[in-house]
Amino acid sequence: NAGVTQTPKFQVLKTGQSMTLQCAQDMNHEYMSWYRQDPGMGLRLIHYSVGAGITDQGEVPNGYNVSRSTTEDFPLRLLSAAPSQTSVYFCASSPLRRRSGNTIYFGEGSWLTVV
Amino acid sequence: AQSVTQLDSHVSVSEGTPVLLRCNYSSSYSPSLFWYVQHPNKGLQLLLKYTSAATLVKGINGFEAEFKKSETSFHLTKPSAHMSDAAEYFCVRSDAGGTSYGKLTFGQGTILTVHP
Repeated sequence: NAGVTQTPKFQVLKTGQSMTLQCAQDMNHEYMSWYRQDPGMGLRLIHYSVGAGITDQGEVPNGYNVSRSTTEDFPLRLLSAAPSQTSVYFCASSPLRRRSGNTIYFGEGSWLTVV
Repeated sequence: AQSVTQLDSHVSVSEGTPVLLRCNYSSSYSPSLFWYVQHPNKGLQLLLKYTSAATLVKGINGFEAEFKKSETSFHLTKPSAHMSDAAEYFCVRSDAGGTSYGKLTFGQGTILTVHP
């Protein structure tokens, strides 16, 4: 049971380049999400998904695209990277049941630098 | 919008002394509350969670937190700090129901420094 797997762990991009951060979970969780972490701001929600084929925007969605073609995978795409997207990115998943309190599982993080 | 406020951005203690990391949340129908820890260049690890079963929650590594509805607080404590506790700690809420379902709201984080 690998949990939540994120790749790559480290990436340096040039401004304007595109890339995809991969996220996969093997726990059959319906809910998956992407956060970015910036100093002094905690984690902020970028996009989330409550199941295959369903995605929605979070707090800071601009500059990012997502898709959810399978339950397991939830990739995050940067179409044209900007220095403001330099951050640490976390993918998370959890079961989706009609009560809160389900443990959220986080990936190890992806450190992205845009130069 | 529901919020979480961590009252201290930095806390410094000596090894062997108590730890107190403070967290307040905005009032709503009962949220679920979590404390996560993040060691440098690592992911987030769950310390403990409150889901309305018991107000005093015990977590891993000797940490515990008490949910106080009257004070809208969920402070994290540990009786005796260890050097390995040095990390950043996040108070997190999860709200049930409506369009907020499953969404997490993070506090700004508290960096804990432990001195020998």
